Amino acid sequence: AQTVTQSQPEMSVQEAETVTLSCTYDTSESDYYLFWYKQPPSRQMILVIRQEAYKQQNATENRFSVNFQKAAKSFSLKISDSQLGDAAMYFCAYLAGANNLFFGTGTRLTVIP
Amino acid sequence: GAGVSQSPSNKVTEKGKDVELRCDPISGHTALYWYRQSLGQGLEFLIYFQGNSAPDKSGLPSDRFSAERTGGSVSTLTIQRTQQEDSAVYLCASSKVSGGTYTDTQYFGPGTRLTVL
Repeated sequence: AQTVTQSQPEMSVQEAETVTLSCTYDTSESDYYLFWYKQPPSRQMILVIRQEAYKQQNATENRFSVNFQKAAKSFSLKISDSQLGDAAMYFCAYLAGANNLFFGTGTRLTVIP
Repeated sequence: GAGVSQSPSNKVTEKGKDVELRCDPISGHTALYWYRQSLGQGLEFLIYFQGNSAPDKSGLPSDRFSAERTGGSVSTLTIQRTQQEDSAVYLCASSKVSGGTYTDTQYFGPGTRLTVL
């Protein structure tokens, strides 16, 4: 069964600093997709970044980048130059074969001014 | 539309009543998904539609839950005889295509917060 684990229920970062959120997953599949979603208090789940497992290059979207370690089944999110608007719940998610996403339990990120 | 929309935004109901939650996906998206987010927990998959058919209903928690999609667009999630444990945020997502060798990203709506008294 697919499982996604986020071991950090809460994290905090100073504005303009860098923070890394951890995610590990368990799967027997070789082809799959990984995502990071952000959920601010408005409840809207917003896609942050996406990684295809067959791609060796780590995905990057502006200040957001991932460290994808396929053998270790690890998929961490790095946020550089943190901004107040980055404060939210961050969910790691996995998808393969089946069409539904499997989500971790989330990490609440606080940005300190 | 520009994004996935859901209505109502909030719904308060009494135990035992039926409720209907609506999802309007992004125009052109053939795949539609319903998830449930209970307080302090991650998201739980409920049901997936490809067009008007639902090949995967495995996540529906009981036979009180049902969903339909008409015209390949709007979907309605119905909860009959609501119970207090049904209280949660119900999120809808849509994507262009799904399955096979390619899976598109799922885009989420703002959710409906359901409170059962």
